[in-house]
Amino acid sequence: ETGVTQTPRHLVMGMTNKKSLKCEQHLGHNAMYWYKQSAKKPLELMFVYSLEERVENNSVPSRFSPECPNSSHLFLHLHTLQPEDSALYLCASSQAPTGGNTIYFGEGSWLTVV
Amino acid sequence: AQSVAQPEDQVNVAEGNPLTVKCTYSVSGNPYLFWYVQYPNRGLQFLLKYITGDNLVKGSYGFEAEFNKSQTSFHLKKPSALVSDSALYFCAVRDSGYSTLTFGKGTMLLVSP
Repeated sequence: ETGVTQTPRHLVMGMTNKKSLKCEQHLGHNAMYWYKQSAKKPLELMFVYSLEERVENNSVPSRFSPECPNSSHLFLHLHTLQPEDSALYLCASSQAPTGGNTIYFGEGSWLTVV
Repeated sequence: AQSVAQPEDQVNVAEGNPLTVKCTYSVSGNPYLFWYVQYPNRGLQFLLKYITGDNLVKGSYGFEAEFNKSQTSFHLKKPSALVSDSALYFCAVRDSGYSTLTFGKGTMLLVSP
């Protein structure tokens, strides 16, 4: 149904673990995004990649490390997370991140840090 | 700077009645405005957008939105609500020349049978 696929859909990890979230887009877009959605908080933009170069990094802690090996794939590497990092992580893609270009979202990865 | 406000945390409407979800924005240039819907445990789905031209924009699932430049508003509307429209609705804005799409905090729409 969606042109943006995220795996895994659910992830439980301990604070000392290292895990990764994966995103793949099948829409031929050249920009990809990571957003964080927490309860009671606005949607937070974490990273923006355009043509595989990071163009925005909104003061995200270094325990979150993005990787964009090509325009179709985006990863979010997680290490030594805190319980407050538990949230829904949304990947998205678009044509160039400007103007009226629509951003399309994946179904999200639910992360629980224990 | 760009910003968007959704003044209502929740909107309640009876099935069959018209619905409005409010959104106001602030930009320095020309606005690009979007509406998204999020059903429980799902990602955001694009509903419609305003780029330029006709102030009334039609989108998916019978939704439409009216762009009002003088009031800097982009309210989402539907003539007849369905119970299945119950979801979280986000308004978003991008200023001309910006890369970031700024989202509002969301409005929960509850449609009662």
